Amino acid sequence: EDQVTQSPEALRLQEGESSSLNCSYTVSGLRGLFWYRQDPGKGPEFLFTLYSAGEEKEKERLKATLTKKESFLHITAPKPEDSATYLCAVQAGDYKLSFGAGTTVTVRA
Amino acid sequence: DVKVTQSSRYLVKRTGEKVFLECVQDMDHENMFWYRQDPGLGLRLIYFSYDVKMKEKGDIPEGYSVSREKKERFSLILESASTNQTSMYLCASSFGQETQYFGPGTRLLVL
Repeated sequence: EDQVTQSPEALRLQEGESSSLNCSYTVSGLRGLFWYRQDPGKGPEFLFTLYSAGEEKEKERLKATLTKKESFLHITAPKPEDSATYLCAVQAGDYKLSFGAGTTVTVRA
Repeated sequence: DVKVTQSSRYLVKRTGEKVFLECVQDMDHENMFWYRQDPGLGLRLIYFSYDVKMKEKGDIPEGYSVSREKKERFSLILESASTNQTSMYLCASSFGQETQYFGPGTRLLVL
Protein backbone atom coordinates (compact mmCIF):
# COMPACT_ATOMS: atom_id res chain seq x y z
CA GLU A 1 0.00 0.00 0.00
CA ASP A 2 1.25 3.46 -0.91
CA GLN A 3 2.22 5.61 2.07
CA VAL A 4 2.92 9.32 2.22
CA THR A 5 4.16 11.05 5.37
CA GLN A 6 4.58 14.79 5.64
CA SER A 7 6.59 16.59 8.29
CA PRO A 8 6.36 18.69 10.25
CA GLU A 9 2.61 18.86 10.83
CA ALA A 10 2.84 22.60 11.47
CA LEU A 11 5.50 25.20 10.83
CA ARG A 12 5.54 28.74 12.14
CA LEU A 13 7.96 31.09 10.37
CA GLN A 14 8.91 34.70 10.62
CA GLU A 15 8.66 36.65 7.38
CA GLY A 16 11.89 36.10 5.48
CA GLU A 17 12.86 32.97 7.43
CA SER A 18 13.47 30.22 4.85
CA SER A 19 12.57 26.62 5.64
CA SER A 20 11.75 23.24 4.10
CA LEU A 21 8.84 20.83 4.22
CA ASN A 22 9.38 17.10 3.87
CA CYS A 23 7.30 14.48 2.09
CA SER A 24 8.54 10.90 2.42
CA TYR A 25 6.84 8.17 0.45
CA THR A 26 6.67 4.44 -0.10
CA VAL A 27 5.20 3.47 -3.44
CA SER A 28 5.65 0.75 -6.03
CA GLY A 29 6.55 2.42 -9.27
CA LEU A 30 6.25 6.16 -8.80
CA ARG A 31 4.59 7.83 -11.78
CA GLY A 32 4.54 11.31 -10.29
CA LEU A 33 4.72 13.31 -7.07
CA PHE A 34 2.43 16.31 -6.74
CA TRP A 35 2.49 19.35 -4.48
CA TYR A 36 -0.64 21.35 -3.79
CA ARG A 37 -1.37 24.44 -1.72
CA GLN A 38 -4.66 24.64 0.18
CA ASP A 39 -6.07 27.76 1.81
CA PRO A 40 -8.61 27.37 4.64
CA GLY A 41 -12.05 26.38 3.38
CA LYS A 42 -10.89 26.05 -0.25
CA GLY A 43 -9.89 23.29 -2.63
CA PRO A 44 -6.24 22.35 -3.23
CA GLU A 45 -4.42 24.44 -5.81
CA PHE A 46 -1.86 22.68 -7.98
CA LEU A 47 1.77 23.76 -7.58
CA PHE A 48 4.20 21.18 -9.05
CA THR A 49 4.56 17.73 -10.51
CA LEU A 50 7.87 15.87 -10.22
CA TYR A 51 8.47 12.66 -12.16
CA SER A 52 12.00 11.43 -11.49
CA ALA A 53 14.73 11.60 -8.85
CA GLY A 54 16.89 14.68 -9.25
CA GLU A 55 14.13 16.76 -10.78
CA GLU A 56 13.56 20.27 -9.42
CA LYS A 57 10.85 22.83 -10.11
CA GLU A 58 10.46 26.43 -8.98
CA LYS A 59 7.66 28.92 -8.71
CA GLU A 60 8.22 32.29 -7.08
CA ARG A 61 9.48 31.57 -3.53
CA LEU A 62 8.80 27.81 -3.75
CA LYS A 63 11.15 25.11 -4.98
CA ALA A 64 10.33 21.40 -5.04
CA THR A 65 12.92 18.64 -5.25
CA LEU A 66 12.63 14.87 -5.53
CA THR A 67 14.77 11.90 -4.47
CA LYS A 68 13.91 8.20 -4.61
CA LYS A 69 12.37 8.27 -1.15
CA GLU A 70 11.30 11.84 -0.43
CA SER A 71 10.49 15.26 -1.74
CA PHE A 72 11.20 18.65 -0.23
CA LEU A 73 9.32 21.88 -0.68
CA HIS A 74 11.68 24.75 0.06
CA ILE A 75 10.18 28.13 0.91
CA THR A 76 12.67 30.95 0.43
CA ALA A 77 12.13 34.27 2.23
CA PRO A 78 8.46 33.55 2.86
CA LYS A 79 5.79 36.23 3.06
CA PRO A 80 2.53 36.14 5.05
CA GLU A 81 0.65 35.27 1.85
CA ASP A 82 2.56 31.97 1.73
CA SER A 83 0.60 30.86 4.81
CA ALA A 84 -1.38 27.77 3.80
CA THR A 85 -1.47 24.01 4.13
CA TYR A 86 0.85 22.28 1.68
CA LEU A 87 -0.19 18.82 0.51
CA CYS A 88 1.97 16.16 -1.09
CA ALA A 89 0.53 13.29 -3.14
CA VAL A 90 2.02 10.36 -5.03
CA GLN A 91 0.69 8.54 -8.05
CA ALA A 92 1.57 4.92 -8.71
CA GLY A 93 0.24 2.69 -11.49
CA ASP A 94 -3.23 4.06 -12.05
CA TYR A 95 -5.18 7.26 -11.67
CA LYS A 96 -5.19 7.19 -7.91
CA LEU A 97 -3.39 9.78 -5.81
CA SER A 98 -2.35 8.98 -2.25
CA PHE A 99 -2.15 12.11 -0.13
CA GLY A 100 -0.18 13.01 2.95
CA ALA A 101 -1.90 14.78 5.84
CA GLY A 102 -0.27 18.09 4.97
CA THR A 103 1.96 20.69 6.58
CA THR A 104 0.31 23.89 7.80
CA VAL A 105 2.62 26.85 7.35
CA THR A 106 2.05 30.13 9.17
CA VAL A 107 4.22 33.10 8.24
CA ARG A 108 4.18 36.03 10.64
CA ALA A 109 4.96 39.56 9.48
CA ASP B 1 -7.22 27.65 -17.06
CA VAL B 2 -8.92 24.51 -15.83
CA LYS B 3 -12.13 25.26 -14.03
CA VAL B 4 -13.86 22.79 -11.73
CA THR B 5 -17.02 24.01 -10.05
CA GLN B 6 -19.12 22.45 -7.32
CA SER B 7 -22.80 23.12 -6.89
CA SER B 8 -22.69 24.28 -3.27
CA ARG B 9 -20.06 25.68 -0.92
CA TYR B 10 -22.01 24.82 2.21
CA LEU B 11 -24.83 22.36 2.86
CA VAL B 12 -26.75 21.45 6.00
CA LYS B 13 -28.81 18.25 5.87
CA ARG B 14 -30.69 16.03 8.27
CA THR B 15 -29.83 12.43 9.06
CA GLY B 16 -31.53 10.11 6.57
CA GLU B 17 -31.88 12.69 3.81
CA LYS B 18 -30.71 11.92 0.28
CA VAL B 19 -27.96 14.36 -0.69
CA PHE B 20 -26.68 15.24 -4.14
CA LEU B 21 -23.35 16.95 -4.70
CA GLU B 22 -22.59 18.01 -8.24
CA CYS B 23 -19.34 18.79 -9.97
CA VAL B 24 -18.75 20.29 -13.41
CA GLN B 25 -15.47 20.70 -15.30
CA ASP B 26 -14.90 22.70 -18.45
CA MET B 27 -11.69 21.13 -19.80
CA ASP B 28 -13.07 18.00 -21.49
CA HIS B 29 -11.22 15.81 -18.98
CA GLU B 30 -12.16 12.15 -19.13
CA ASN B 31 -11.35 11.47 -15.47
CA MET B 32 -13.27 12.85 -12.52
CA PHE B 33 -12.89 12.13 -8.83
CA TRP B 34 -14.66 12.60 -5.52
CA TYR B 35 -12.67 12.91 -2.29
CA ARG B 36 -13.53 13.71 1.27
CA GLN B 37 -11.18 15.58 3.55
CA ASP B 38 -11.20 15.27 7.32
CA PRO B 39 -8.78 16.77 9.86
CA GLY B 40 -5.82 14.48 10.48
CA LEU B 41 -6.90 12.00 7.79
CA GLY B 42 -6.01 13.89 4.65
CA LEU B 43 -7.86 13.43 1.37
CA ARG B 44 -9.44 10.04 0.80
CA LEU B 45 -10.82 8.87 -2.53
CA ILE B 46 -14.49 7.91 -2.55
CA TYR B 47 -15.12 7.16 -6.24
CA PHE B 48 -13.69 8.03 -9.59
CA SER B 49 -14.90 7.87 -13.17
CA TYR B 50 -12.72 7.40 -16.24
CA ASP B 51 -15.47 7.82 -18.82
CA VAL B 52 -19.15 8.56 -19.15
CA LYS B 53 -21.21 5.97 -17.26
CA MET B 54 -17.99 4.31 -15.98
CA LYS B 55 -17.03 4.36 -12.33
CA GLU B 56 -14.68 2.67 -9.91
CA LYS B 57 -14.68 2.52 -6.15
CA GLY B 58 -12.02 4.34 -4.26
CA ASP B 59 -10.86 3.71 -0.72
CA ILE B 60 -14.06 4.62 1.13
CA PRO B 61 -17.12 4.06 -1.12
CA GLU B 62 -19.46 2.79 1.59
CA GLY B 63 -22.57 4.94 1.95
CA TYR B 64 -21.95 6.75 -1.36
CA SER B 65 -22.87 6.30 -4.99
CA VAL B 66 -22.00 8.31 -8.10
CA SER B 67 -23.45 9.17 -11.47
CA ARG B 68 -21.79 10.33 -14.65
CA GLU B 69 -24.24 10.81 -17.49
CA LYS B 70 -22.27 13.53 -19.29
CA LYS B 71 -18.53 13.93 -19.65
CA GLU B 72 -18.37 17.27 -17.87
CA ARG B 73 -20.57 16.37 -14.91
CA PHE B 74 -19.97 13.99 -11.99
CA SER B 75 -22.42 13.65 -9.13
CA LEU B 76 -21.88 12.21 -5.66
CA ILE B 77 -24.95 10.83 -3.92
CA LEU B 78 -25.39 10.13 -0.25
CA GLU B 79 -28.35 7.75 -0.24
CA SER B 80 -29.16 8.27 3.44
CA ALA B 81 -26.97 10.87 5.07
CA SER B 82 -25.43 10.09 8.43
CA THR B 83 -23.57 12.28 10.90
CA ASN B 84 -20.27 10.53 10.13
CA GLN B 85 -20.56 11.87 6.58
CA THR B 86 -20.09 15.42 7.84
CA SER B 87 -16.98 16.48 5.97
CA MET B 88 -15.43 18.60 3.25
CA TYR B 89 -16.11 17.07 -0.18
CA LEU B 90 -13.73 17.81 -3.03
CA CYS B 91 -14.18 17.08 -6.70
CA ALA B 92 -11.25 16.86 -9.12
CA SER B 93 -10.71 16.19 -12.81
CA SER B 94 -7.74 15.18 -14.93
CA PHE B 95 -6.69 14.30 -18.45
CA GLY B 96 -5.33 10.76 -18.47
CA GLN B 97 -2.88 10.27 -15.63
CA GLU B 98 -1.92 13.92 -15.57
CA THR B 99 -2.42 16.47 -12.82
CA GLN B 100 -5.73 16.45 -10.96
CA TYR B 101 -7.37 19.86 -10.64
CA PHE B 102 -9.69 20.48 -7.74
CA GLY B 103 -12.90 22.39 -7.24
CA PRO B 104 -13.53 24.76 -4.32
CA GLY B 105 -15.10 22.09 -2.12
CA THR B 106 -18.48 21.58 -0.44
CA ARG B 107 -18.60 21.63 3.33
CA LEU B 108 -21.42 19.30 4.36
CA LEU B 109 -22.89 19.23 7.84
CA VAL B 110 -25.29 16.38 8.67
CA LEU B 111 -27.39 16.98 11.77
